[in-house]
Amino acid sequence: DIQMTQSPSVLSASVGDRVTLNCKASQNINKYLNWYQQKLGEAPKLLIYNTNNLQTGIPSRFSGSGSGTDYTLTISSLQPEDVATYFCFQHNSWPGTFGAGTKLELK
Amino acid sequence: QVKLQQSGAELVKPGASVKLSCKTSGYTFSTSYMSWFKQIPGQSIEWIGMIYAGDGGTGYNQKFKGKATLTVDTSSSTAYMDLSSLTTEDSAVYFCATGAITIAAIWGQGVMVTVSS
Repeated sequence: DIQMTQSPSVLSASVGDRVTLNCKASQNINKYLNWYQQKLGEAPKLLIYNTNNLQTGIPSRFSGSGSGTDYTLTISSLQPEDVATYFCFQHNSWPGTFGAGTKLELK
Repeated sequence: QVKLQQSGAELVKPGASVKLSCKTSGYTFSTSYMSWFKQIPGQSIEWIGMIYAGDGGTGYNQKFKGKATLTVDTSSSTAYMDLSSLTTEDSAVYFCATGAITIAAIWGQGVMVTVSS
């Protein structure tokens, strides 16, 4: 199975900060990389699909980039409601696999 | 609007089986894929498998073969997952999810399964 490594595991940032979350795959995943936001006690919510496509209804402060094995989720200006855990998910190879998550906190 | 409504929390004894449901609305179920996921609270997420509602064709994560069985009822637009021979390691939240643009675009609310004697 493809291993997905997210960094950092915990990120503390202030409102208004530009925040970057990283996800590294153990092999090329051809941009088949989704990002999900999960708040405590809720289901994951799709933010970005296939590296850089913004899901309908998601604020434009969220963006994604990457290729090959390295991918990034960027929040251009952190808002209080962005406090959550963020997971990357590769669906290039069976079975799809998730990273361990990055917990985003307010400083 | 697409909605996935999962059944309620389950408390089951070790060795028993449980059947979880995911009732859908707002889209054409019969030509869609449904995936199921497992998440132990505080941990990451695992993909259990996927079913195509059109013909019931399935694909499973090797880790869950023999543990999970996916089925659908197109007459009620509902997907099901049977979990068998339950142990404490099966205690988790289970999600169903579907999507047209990508796998797992829309998720159900999740159902907690607790395995305890």
